[in-house]
Amino acid sequence: QKEVEQNSGPLSVPEGAIASLNCTYSDRGSQSFFWYRQYSGKSPELIMSIYSNGDKEDGRFTAQLNKASQYVSLLIRDSQPSDSATYLCASDGGATNKLIFGTGTLLAVQP
Amino acid sequence: EPEVTQTPSHQVTQMGQEVILRCVPISNHLYFYWYRQILGQKVEFLVSFYNNEISEKSEIFDDQFSVERPDGSNFTLKIRSTKLEDSAMYFCAAPGLNVIVAKNIQYFGAGTRLSVL
Repeated sequence: QKEVEQNSGPLSVPEGAIASLNCTYSDRGSQSFFWYRQYSGKSPELIMSIYSNGDKEDGRFTAQLNKASQYVSLLIRDSQPSDSATYLCASDGGATNKLIFGTGTLLAVQP
Repeated sequence: EPEVTQTPSHQVTQMGQEVILRCVPISNHLYFYWYRQILGQKVEFLVSFYNNEISEKSEIFDDQFSVERPDGSNFTLKIRSTKLEDSAMYFCAAPGLNVIVAKNIQYFGAGTRLSVL
């Protein structure tokens, strides 16, 4: 069974701080990794995709991938109250196009 | 902007009834995906659809479920004889424009909330 694991949280950080969200995956054949943001009652919104080991930066967001450790992370710099949401980590199913999601980490940014 | 529009936003039905959820692409996507999310649980893959055929389905996608592209544009998910446990958010997803499908980027529609009473 291919799994993506996340700490459900909540992760509470003060406004302006760096939020660090983590994720592990079980299938070594996974090639694509994604971070989605989901506000309560809304659909997942794609924030970042990452395919290679290392860091990928986009604005206040940095995704990190370590395939040897089967570990993906998302850093959010200068966290804002509007960043408060559930962050979903997802990977592909190896040789398939489906996405496998973790349970998500609830982030609360305190003003 | 999502690549797909879903209707209805909320569907209430009685147990045992059939429901049809619709997904309308913004452009001519060949790939479509359906996912569901039971309240408080993870997003789960149901089925992927490529060029008018099912390319992969999960264990959840049993004989109760079917997908079609009836008119070449709309993409439907049909649930026959709904059960209480089918209550969930159902999301349609599609790749973005100018996105290499192998990169597996998927954009989600706003979803349909299905409530089975």
